[in-house]
This record gives sequence, structure tokens and C-alpha cells, in this order.
Amino acid sequence: GDSVTQMEGPVTLSEEAFLTINCTYTATGYPSLFWYVQYPGEGLQLLLKATKADDKGSNKGFEATYRKETTSFHLEKGSVQVSDSAVYFCALGEYGNKLVFGAGTILRVKS
Amino acid sequence: DARVTQTPRHKVTEMGQEVTMRCQPILGHNTVFWYRQTMMQGLELLAYFRNRAPLDDSGMPKDRFSAEMPDATLATLKIQPSEPRDSAVYFCASGHTRTGDDEQFFGPGTRLTVL
Repeated sequence: GDSVTQMEGPVTLSEEAFLTINCTYTATGYPSLFWYVQYPGEGLQLLLKATKADDKGSNKGFEATYRKETTSFHLEKGSVQVSDSAVYFCALGEYGNKLVFGAGTILRVKS
Repeated sequence: DARVTQTPRHKVTEMGQEVTMRCQPILGHNTVFWYRQTMMQGLELLAYFRNRAPLDDSGMPKDRFSAEMPDATLATLKIQPSEPRDSAVYFCASGHTRTGDDEQFFGPGTRLTVL
């Protein structure tokens, strides 16, 4: 079946450092890809998405590009802030709005 | 600003008691999902509905959990009897198949503690 693998955390960075969180997927067909973010005590929020190969999703300085050839959707940000500390989930969409989530990656940003 | 709402936000109960969690999906959405999140298991899909019909509840312990959609504006998740291992955060999410990209909108969750 479809699956998503993302890098284990926690990832600990200093403020203004460059962030990469790796995500790879296995799927039949051409799924939509998502990054969700979960701040402490809250539900998941959509961060960005891409619906077809070579699309780049971007939001709040975060970016991810849908790479069909490497089945990847890595999340990047050029300069992280303390307020970016959260759990980040990579996900792919199956037919009918069902999402398959990765295990989540904890990001901690120190000032 | 349309959003998914869940009640209660927090629930503490004793083992053996019935627990009912409620979710109001975004108006017009036709798919509803129930998830459970724990430190050990992460995010697990329990059940989901499309147009109020249950499509998949294979993630749910059948003997004690039940999920329903009495109408398009309300989804419920019941646990009877509750056990300490059910302690978790339960999320509801909704979406619409017409968007074509499978995006889901999550509620704030119900934090359940079973003593």
C-alpha cells in the first residue's frame, strides 16, 4: 500500500539556520503531497501542498517540490525562527480525501 | 473563517465509563475523518465517512468504539466502556472530494484521559 517515510527527529537548530526535513513516498498513481504542521496543544494545519510533479508548494517561507523521479517532497526553509518549533508531518493523498501520514518530525529551534 | 469544531476539548473519566466526542465539520464538506494521536503510535486513522456513509472503520477497535454521522453537521465517536489505553488526543478532520487534491482540515482535538 501507499506509505510515507520522513526523517526521524528531533531536529534541533539555532535560529536563522537552514532547515531540511526529508520526506519520501511510495504510491500507485500520482498522489497530491502535503506538509502539515502541528504546534503544541493544537490540531494539524496545512502548511503547503503540491498536486502534480514539479509543482512547488510554498507558505510562510517554507518550500517543497514534488519530485516524481525521486518520489520525494522535502521541506525546506532558509532561516528558521523559534516560532517554527513544532511537529511537521508529510502526507500523500489517496482517492477520496484519505491521507497517508508520515510519523512526524519534531523541530526545535533555539534562540 | 470556516473551521472544524470539536467538543469537549478535554475529558477526564474513569475506566468503564462511556465517552462521546463530537465534531462539526466545515459546512459543505462531504468527508469526515477521525484520528487518534498518541506518543507511542503517532497519528492513526480510526474511521472515515463520505456523504455521511461510513467507508472505512478498520482502524477502530470494534468491540468498544463506534462512529456515526447523525446528520451532515455532526459526527460522533463513542467509546463504551473506556479503558486507560484509550487515553489520547482524538482529532476530527473534514474535506470535500470536489477539490480533487485530498486536503483535510483538522479540528483542535479532544484530549481524553481515562483513569
